[in-house]
Amino acid sequence: GAGVSQSPRYKVAKRGQDVALRCDPISGHVSLFWYQQALGQGPEFLTYFQNEAQLDKSGLPSDRFFAERPEGSVSTLKIQRTQQEDSAVYLCASSLTPQEFNQPQHFGDGTRLSIL
Amino acid sequence: DAKTTQPPSMDCAEGRAANLPCNHSTISGNEYVYWYRQIHSQGPQYIIHGLKNNETNEMASLIITEDRKSSTLILPHATLRDTAVYYCIVRVAWETSGSRLTFGEGTQLTVNP
Repeated sequence: GAGVSQSPRYKVAKRGQDVALRCDPISGHVSLFWYQQALGQGPEFLTYFQNEAQLDKSGLPSDRFFAERPEGSVSTLKIQRTQQEDSAVYLCASSLTPQEFNQPQHFGDGTRLSIL
Repeated sequence: DAKTTQPPSMDCAEGRAANLPCNHSTISGNEYVYWYRQIHSQGPQYIIHGLKNNETNEMASLIITEDRKSSTLILPHATLRDTAVYYCIVRVAWETSGSRLTFGEGTQLTVNP
């Protein structure tokens, strides 16, 4: 596909369950970002990958959040022992290269996570 | 990254130009101004960016003041499909660690028929 693809589009889980959210970036894009968007707010940065290396995870809210990108393409955001405050839209974005600083980030449509 | 200030909401008549302002008075010389928009239930969409010169593309024009402390995004002929939240973001130009986007609360633009 031409754009960033995220799955599932919607996820409902019970409090305490583990969830995994998938991101397929644009083919060939080196940089990959995860953002969290609460209802009525702008997206907030979670973590950043350059190829398979996670270079910045300063935005992850707790150690229950874990992200990986083992082969430098597809990425998975995992949330363990989910809590109600984890309910949000999780957005993935990719960009061509980190060195091209003015390359825009292209976003997927997100996964809407609801914790009951 | 510099903080930006945008009005929370604006209205525009269909077919007219929409002019969305943004203040970024603490912007540094190495920071770009980016504009994204987010239509309901979709991810943010890149619109345009600039450093100090005015920029135009097929979607919009970006006017940056000479002192770079403010900018205006112009949608020349707004349509109903332009109804969205518009985010003005300043972003460090030379960072090599990926350069996250820092979103504020944006401007809700409503285009009316």
